[in-house]
Amino acid sequence: EPEVTQTPSHQVTQMGQEVILRCVPISNHLYFYWYRQILGQKVEFLVSFYNNEISEKSEIFDDQFSVERPDGSNFTLKIRSTKLEDSAMYFCASSEFSGRGEISGANVLTFGAGSRLTVL
Amino acid sequence: SQQGEEDPQALSIQEGENATMNCSYKTSINNLQWYRQNSGRGLVHLILIRSNEREKHSGRLRVTLDTSKKSSSLLITASRAADTASYFCATAGNTGGFKTIFGAGTRLFVKA
Repeated sequence: EPEVTQTPSHQVTQMGQEVILRCVPISNHLYFYWYRQILGQKVEFLVSFYNNEISEKSEIFDDQFSVERPDGSNFTLKIRSTKLEDSAMYFCASSEFSGRGEISGANVLTFGAGSRLTVL
Repeated sequence: SQQGEEDPQALSIQEGENATMNCSYKTSINNLQWYRQNSGRGLVHLILIRSNEREKHSGRLRVTLDTSKKSSSLLITASRAADTASYFCATAGNTGGFKTIFGAGTRLFVKA
């Protein structure tokens, strides 16, 4: 069964360093997402990406964050200058459809296993 | 915010019992989905119910949707120890960008 793959599975970094988290979505999916989950807390939406541009972003997704789909297969999340509070599990997800409109397919998300980011 | 919120926050039951989790949301939706998360792992899609549906079944799962009350419930029948996980409802609105929002989740513990 197709799956979303994420690397690295765990990254430890010093505060102020740049981090890039990588994701390979399912090949025929068109919609891509990043979420984060601080330990034991809710799954928070960061950003969605469609047609090579950001579709929507949350308040968490400030100027320190960026996303890119550099080569048609990878989907990356960059944090320019990490803070202690960026420590979390970051999940990439993709979906084939948007879920909009009655004739549209459903926006079922397939998640990767996550990248655990620890900022020291 | 369209966020779904689940209750209870945590639920502990014996194997074989039924588990019911509830979810409320705030805005109009196209569909509502339920996902499961084993500790520290990615979320897995369980079931989707469209806004024009009232009830849906999948194996031991039964989902209901009441759009007038903006609420949904997930029933797991004849629970097993392997059902121990966190369960999240998720909603996507009709306007704005493409965004699926997850509730805070219900942590289910099924005792063998």
